[in-house]
Amino acid sequence: QVQLQESGPGLVKPSETLSLTCAVSGGSIRINWWSWVRQPPGKGLEWIGEIYHSGSTNYNPSLKSRVTILLDNSKNQFSLKLTSVTAADTAVYYCARHMTGANTFDYWGQGTLVTVSS
Amino acid sequence: QSALTQPASVSGSPGQSITISCTGTSSDVGAYNSVSWYQQHPGKPPKLMIFDVTNRPSGVSNRFSGSKSGNTASLTISGLQAEDEADYFCSSYTSISTPLYVFGTGTKVTVL
Repeated sequence: QVQLQESGPGLVKPSETLSLTCAVSGGSIRINWWSWVRQPPGKGLEWIGEIYHSGSTNYNPSLKSRVTILLDNSKNQFSLKLTSVTAADTAVYYCARHMTGANTFDYWGQGTLVTVSS
Repeated sequence: QSALTQPASVSGSPGQSITISCTGTSSDVGAYNSVSWYQQHPGKPPKLMIFDVTNRPSGVSNRFSGSKSGNTASLTISGLQAEDEADYFCSSYTSISTPLYVFGTGTKVTVL
């Protein structure tokens, strides 16, 4: 059973960089695409971006200038960096696995709340 | 790229059937058979219920079914149960020039 676990600071100051890691267990990160999705409190879901084990990435154009997603094959994990954060970036951040052969997300982490505040 | 449009709330009594709509455009829902539906209980991550418009992942009850017509996809829950009370989000793959995945606005399902 594939499991994903997000980790990182729960509080980030405005204008600083949000950094999160997603540890994958029960399966190899060398297979499938992997994504980050966020959900502001009480609101809907927003796709942030994705990465493949080759290092190929795609990002949401609305965040592209501030987002970097990296993958560490040796640690079976991938990461998210979001620069110049504002209060609008306050959200629960989820990492998710893309289902093989389908444009959907079949496994999700539990999510981690990141609050942007001074 | 705007979010897909869903009704804010839908309700039904136990045993009844309800349908949630998800309206997009010819660039997302209408263009690809890559519509998914997720169930989300409070404080929990989304759970995949339907993918590729009509397919159920292993372990998901056959009370959940999906369909699509034009730019609108639908999720039907038959034999409504108390445990089905949750938020439901649709999602669609879209073109390379926009976010690759766009989600719906979300629908709160209430079991009366």
